[in-house]
Amino acid sequence: SAVISQKPSRDICQRGTSLTIQCQVDSQVTMMFWYRQQPGQSLTLIATANQGSEATYESGFVIDKFPISRPNLTFSTLTVSNMSPEDSSIYLCSVEVPGAMNTEAFFGQGTRLTVV
Amino acid sequence: QKEVEQDPGPLSVPEGAIVSLNCTYSNSAFQYFMWYRQYSRKGPELLMYTYSSGNKEDGRFTAQVDKSSKYISLFIRDSQPSDSATYLCAMSAGGYQKVTFGIGTKLQVIP
Repeated sequence: SAVISQKPSRDICQRGTSLTIQCQVDSQVTMMFWYRQQPGQSLTLIATANQGSEATYESGFVIDKFPISRPNLTFSTLTVSNMSPEDSSIYLCSVEVPGAMNTEAFFGQGTRLTVV
Repeated sequence: QKEVEQDPGPLSVPEGAIVSLNCTYSNSAFQYFMWYRQYSRKGPELLMYTYSSGNKEDGRFTAQVDKSSKYISLFIRDSQPSDSATYLCAMSAGGYQKVTFGIGTKLQVIP
């Protein structure tokens, strides 16, 4: 298993500003994932972050809007840049660790972001 | 059409009832099927996963996969108020393939 600490747990931000979300894992992991969970929508993968390389972004998400850092095997940050009310959502980091049959995904508690 | 369809509910049941939660999917490459439970203001936690078709039981929880119908289910027996949460189905083709989530079904078990 993996224990993930994510902070802040929530924040209210002014439009046009940026917020950096931190994710700390209690063990070394190869890949970390960032998801967005909007009301009434399923978890949507933003990007995959590997240590020592550029993050890989999913369709609809770009590095300028969601820059990601992955300085080591236990830590990552996601920045939500130039925020607008449409960015109000829950942001979750996730890691996958080998399980008995497949990799198992573990999630942080999420960051509830409100943009006003 | 979404790859994974899940009724968002909400679903309200009395304590002790049997709960049935379901998802359908369209991608025949999916091999691993997971159920996550998400309490309010918390991240999702893995509840159960199954590989290919068949049943898997863990205490009061039973997961079923019918690949021929592209239909998966989670049954909760003797439901408890502590089971009140949002349940998300998730699936992948395996390995490090992208995991696709359902929208989640909100369940409320009434004492």
